Amino acid sequence: GEDVEQSLFLSVREGDSSVINCTYTDSSSTYLYWYKQEPGAGLQLLTYIFSNMDMKQDQRLTVLLNKKDKHLSLRIADTQTGDSAIYFCAESGRYNNNDMRFGAGTRLTVKP
Amino acid sequence: DVKVTQSSRYLVKRTGEKVFLECVQDMDHENMFWYRQDPGLGLRLIYFSYDVKMKEKGDIPEGYSVSREKKERFSLILESASTNQTSMYLCATSRDGGGEQYFGPGTRLTVT
Repeated sequence: GEDVEQSLFLSVREGDSSVINCTYTDSSSTYLYWYKQEPGAGLQLLTYIFSNMDMKQDQRLTVLLNKKDKHLSLRIADTQTGDSAIYFCAESGRYNNNDMRFGAGTRLTVKP
Repeated sequence: DVKVTQSSRYLVKRTGEKVFLECVQDMDHENMFWYRQDPGLGLRLIYFSYDVKMKEKGDIPEGYSVSREKKERFSLILESASTNQTSMYLCATSRDGGGEQYFGPGTRLTVT
């Protein structure tokens, strides 16, 4: 089965909050990441969280980690049309930090 | 800023052709990766390299080979392209010890 799972689509209205969820299976994950991919571009790191943390905030972004349930979420406050993109959850640390596993990506659509 | 460049943004090749995809990075990173990205499947690791002339198979190496003759350059080779290799190919790099991966813009390959 999938090592990292996320829903494929999310649609919100401009100004609302978006919450993108991710579950993973490897309890030895060291780092968990959120990447953003805009149309026609590669992936860009948005934020990451170390596995001994349960929350990280960076301006409009809030990452929550529930290590017991192996659940990671990304909340985007005051979502803007420029936030429309695909968001990938990833984890690393199974064998070493080079072994990074990605989810399938959540396509976020922001309606005006 | 890390810069990761890929030789082509779009490529169209015929079945049976030999295809070279090239990735170049300018940050002296030890680790380089090739992924393919398909809708609903996310990123899947094809090969990675942790040093010059060193390579490791990823999750889906069949039909691909790689070459790393210089630290800054990592090539992905399709010996005999097939239609099921039509995909977006992404190159990434990271420092030794892993962690964040930096991505190139991607090459969209179509095999007809």
